[in-house]
Amino acid sequence: GNSVTQMEGPVTLSEEAFLTINCTYTATGYPSLFWYVQYPGEGLQLLLKATKADDKGSNKGFEATYRKETTSFHLEKGSVQVSDSAVYFCALSETYSGGGADGLTFGKGTHLIIQP
Amino acid sequence: DTAVSQTPKYLVTQMGNDKSIKCEQNLGHDTMYWYKQDSKKFLKIMFSYNNKELIINETVPNRFSPKSPDKAHLNLHINSLELGDSAVYFCASSQDLLDQPQHFGDGTRLSIL
Repeated sequence: GNSVTQMEGPVTLSEEAFLTINCTYTATGYPSLFWYVQYPGEGLQLLLKATKADDKGSNKGFEATYRKETTSFHLEKGSVQVSDSAVYFCALSETYSGGGADGLTFGKGTHLIIQP
Repeated sequence: DTAVSQTPKYLVTQMGNDKSIKCEQNLGHDTMYWYKQDSKKFLKIMFSYNNKELIINETVPNRFSPKSPDKAHLNLHINSLELGDSAVYFCASSQDLLDQPQHFGDGTRLSIL
């Protein structure tokens, strides 16, 4: 079955530090890849996505590149802010050649804490 | 304008009771989902409906029964609540089965006493 593995947290960084949150996946078909962010007490918000190999998703200074050869979709940001503190989820959705798709398969989430 | 709205936001009840969580989306989407997030923040899909038809039914106890009266609504009814049902339940929607991403509601925190 499909699975997503992301680095365990919490990850604690100082403001303006460089961020990397690793994510790797296993899938049998042609997955689309996503990063979602969950702020305290809120639902999930899509941060960025990539639908095919070598695509780069980007939003709010965050970036992730779909690497089929390493089955990875690592999240990066050059300079984090206190307001980036949240839980980040890597997820995939598989689309099959015959049509149809599964729901999202999530990683376990990485709690990011940014200190002033 | 809330795109995906769930009610109630908090639900505290006793073991053995029956409860419902409602979800509505005003995005005109065809597909709706229910996810469960446990105390360790792990998210797992429970159900998905496309145009009011059940598409995905993961290994969820049959005490959980989704109901979709129309495309814009997917309600979750839970019978005979158990301690292990305590979690945050998220509703989500997407344009169709193929068009991810999904838009999430703010969640319903269910606590079983």
